[in-house]
Amino acid sequence: GAVVSQHPSWVICKSGTSVKIECRSLDFQATTMFWYRQFPKQSLMLMATSNEGSKATYEQGVEKDKFLINHASLTLSTLTVTSAHPEDSSFYICSAGPARETQYFGPGTRLLVL
Amino acid sequence: QKEVEQDPGPLSVPEGAIVSLNCTYSNSAFQYFMWYRQYSRKGPELLMYTYSSGNKEDGRFTAQVDKSSKYISLFIRDSQPSDSATYLCAMTRFSGYSTLTFGKGTMLLVSP
Repeated sequence: GAVVSQHPSWVICKSGTSVKIECRSLDFQATTMFWYRQFPKQSLMLMATSNEGSKATYEQGVEKDKFLINHASLTLSTLTVTSAHPEDSSFYICSAGPARETQYFGPGTRLLVL
Repeated sequence: QKEVEQDPGPLSVPEGAIVSLNCTYSNSAFQYFMWYRQYSRKGPELLMYTYSSGNKEDGRFTAQVDKSSKYISLFIRDSQPSDSATYLCAMTRFSGYSTLTFGKGTMLLVSP
């Protein structure tokens, strides 16, 4: 299957700092990528849809000023958690798909805010 | 009523057993159905993808969709300890880059 990578795989930061997470499609171009958040023993919750060359579309309840998304190229989307707080600690996962019907997920980034 | 319902388990079976995992949904507009496997602390891995009703087989895995009952299933034959993971069903209305609606996932434990 298609390969989607994320970096970093885990990050620990102090409260109030900003953290950038990268999502890359390694063997295909992705005009659209998706960002999810997953809390322990919960399913994936879609945060936003990242569109190459245009603004991201955020789901209801997701603060767009807090979770900045940039999709500057056809293979890279970034999610920046600004002024992170402990309640932002979670598992962040991106997905993208080379075909219209399927999405492939990255390995996820575990964020811990102290 | 949630759009997608999935029993969280855990479902414990002995090695070699046939496993049945299921989801029900309420939105009759869903047409595309997926099953993902997620190991602990890893991203989900796409296992099966089906369109509309019917069966699809891939090795030890069989996916079934019954749109009249709004019910989908994933069967695993000859289950292995390495199958121990959380299985997520997901579905969407359209092809293309439409968003997925996920179930909460069922944790499967296969004991040797």
